[in-house]
Amino acid sequence: EVQLLESGGGLVQPGGSLRLSCAASGFTFSTYAMTWVRQVPGKGLEWVSGIGGSGGSTYYADSVKGRFTISRDNSKNTLYLQMNSLRAEDTALYYCAKYPTVVIRGQYYFDSWGQGTLVTVSS
Amino acid sequence: QSALAQPASVSGSPGQSITISCTGTSSDVGAYNFVSWYQQHPGKAPKLMIFDVNKRPSGVSSRFSGSKSGNTASLTISGLQADDEADYYCNSYTVNSTPVVFGGGTKLTVL
Repeated sequence: EVQLLESGGGLVQPGGSLRLSCAASGFTFSTYAMTWVRQVPGKGLEWVSGIGGSGGSTYYADSVKGRFTISRDNSKNTLYLQMNSLRAEDTALYYCAKYPTVVIRGQYYFDSWGQGTLVTVSS
Repeated sequence: QSALAQPASVSGSPGQSITISCTGTSSDVGAYNFVSWYQQHPGKAPKLMIFDVNKRPSGVSSRFSGSKSGNTASLTISGLQADDEADYYCNSYTVNSTPVVFGGGTKLTVL
């Protein structure tokens, strides 16, 4: 059974940094692309970033480009999201999710999701 | 980048059928047969219900079906059940700089 467990969320001041982690199990992690999707409580879903299975290809939403960095450690079956220069509008529940393939190009849907970790940006 | 347009809410009685629309543009929904649908119960993670417009993942009830015409995709739920009450989101591949776009979500109420 696929399991994705996010951690690292919390309260941070505007301009601050936070690193989210997503521990994966139940599948061969390195053979699947992964993604972060966020959701403001009570609002819709927003795709944030994605990374190919090898880690060589990364993609970002325009809203986070230059501030967030996605990465993965396939030896630890873990996905990361380094978030810098955080803004109030980054406040959301951040989900880790799995693509159905190893590559991102041409892919768009996510077949397994974690339960999310809450990031609150406030002074 | 604008989200795909979904009705804010739909409702139906047990046993009835409902349809949720998802309207995009020729750069996303209309570009390819790459539309998926997710079900989200309160406090839970989204669950994939439909992908590639009309394909169901293993384990998803055949009561859920998808279709597309031009720039609008649709999710139909037949034989409504109480447990179908949830939020539903569509998403699509896009040819824009951000490769994935979601709809704003539709709250389904089972009367």
